[in-house]
Amino acid sequence: QSVLTQPPSASGTPGQRVTISCSGSSSNIGTNSVNWYQQFPGTAPKLLIYSDYQRPSGVPGRFSGSQSGTSASLAISGLQSDDEADYYCAAWDDSLNAYVFGTGTKVTVL
Amino acid sequence: QVQLQESGPGLVKPSETLSLTCTVSGGSLRSFFWSWIRQAPGKGLEWIGYMSYSGSPVYNPSLKSRVAISVDTPKNQFSLRLTSVTAADTAVYFCARAGYNGSGTSPDLDYWGQGTLVTVSS
Repeated sequence: QSVLTQPPSASGTPGQRVTISCSGSSSNIGTNSVNWYQQFPGTAPKLLIYSDYQRPSGVPGRFSGSQSGTSASLAISGLQSDDEADYYCAAWDDSLNAYVFGTGTKVTVL
Repeated sequence: QVQLQESGPGLVKPSETLSLTCTVSGGSLRSFFWSWIRQAPGKGLEWIGYMSYSGSPVYNPSLKSRVAISVDTPKNQFSLRLTSVTAADTAVYFCARAGYNGSGTSPDLDYWGQGTLVTVSS
């Protein structure tokens, strides 16, 4: 059972803004930075956001991350059909001394 | 361009040991952490553990008693051993490079292998 909780699904129409939440605790998100990963079916995850809000080279500016207290969020603006994928948050947990992933959110473009 | 490639048996019998190797090309094993992650069919991601070329490994507490990760710097490879496997260990196993970029206090996994499916069955 994951210590980081995400909604199972999120959806929007092309062009809309979609936000995915990631709820944790003081031992993970409350203390350490959050990363986000994007995964298409049958492929390896891809790093989308690191250190709460920073984007690796090549990741479009439509993807943005934020963190507040023991929660984090990933926002996708200008939603595109290519954004249909699973999204996972992740952070180091000081109590477990382990890297923990969120439960994952499937984004659907209507 | 850093590339990672997993290799190993796709089928392991219950109670036996799962062994996988990840070969890294386009970069050295120094200065980073090398990780294993798995994903059971239709499920989410589970971090197995990581280690650097010079440090001690760190494992997921839920697997700690059965897992071992090692690094072979001359071969540019790192490996995973998981003992006493059961059907619950059936998953796609990914290897990945972990680093601490920016001001992050959590490791970010910036390069991944394509993953390899390991099925535990008699």
